[in-house]
Amino acid sequence: DQQVKQNSPSLSVQEGRISILNCDYTNSMFDYFLWYKKYPAEGPTFLISISSIKDKNEDGRFTVFLNKSAKHLSLHIVPSQPGDSAVYFCAASPFSGTYKYIFGTGTRLKVLA
Amino acid sequence: DTGVSQDPRHKITKRGQNVTFRCDPISEHNRLYWYRQTLGQGPEFLTYFQNEAQLEKSRLLSDRFSAERPKGSFSTLEIQRTEQGDSAMYLCASSLPGRGYTFGSGTRLTVV
Repeated sequence: DQQVKQNSPSLSVQEGRISILNCDYTNSMFDYFLWYKKYPAEGPTFLISISSIKDKNEDGRFTVFLNKSAKHLSLHIVPSQPGDSAVYFCAASPFSGTYKYIFGTGTRLKVLA
Repeated sequence: DTGVSQDPRHKITKRGQNVTFRCDPISEHNRLYWYRQTLGQGPEFLTYFQNEAQLEKSRLLSDRFSAERPKGSFSTLEIQRTEQGDSAMYLCASSLPGRGYTFGSGTRLTVV
């Protein structure tokens, strides 16, 4: 029962262009969402989060969009840089103070120079 | 802030042996989590501590697994009678309440 789904296992984008990573969820109780980035041989690092009371959150080159009615969120990276090449995980939890995140299976982003 | 530290980084063990992993969280973080990640999957929740109290264990954590966090500081995860299916990356994370996790680099376990 995969409650958080990332249906694209991989994505290639040219340097300077926009990268769009998608995530779908099934549990309507989720109301806090996060994106983590993972380089090989390292643990995941927190990138950006969004609460369900918002539909957009921006941090520099990274923007997360949330569509609650569609149970869909996306991460936009503009402009994409080669150093952004990593695996990106979407995660969700029932409320922002909770302890347990449900992670998706990840999308491997490759930014081509 | 030295981050979350995990030891060892890699462990190869024979099936049936016991293994123990250690996690040192960020010092002011009172919450500590263990996750497991297998190839092609995202991290899966195993267990959670608030200070020294273990507040939840996933059904993924069979009777062969035990985690402790004495004195609310470092934590250990022990796997008894290891099986090949236990091969995975074991990730530790810590946080303050209401804040995102900081993960360690993980311990990669290979059971041969």
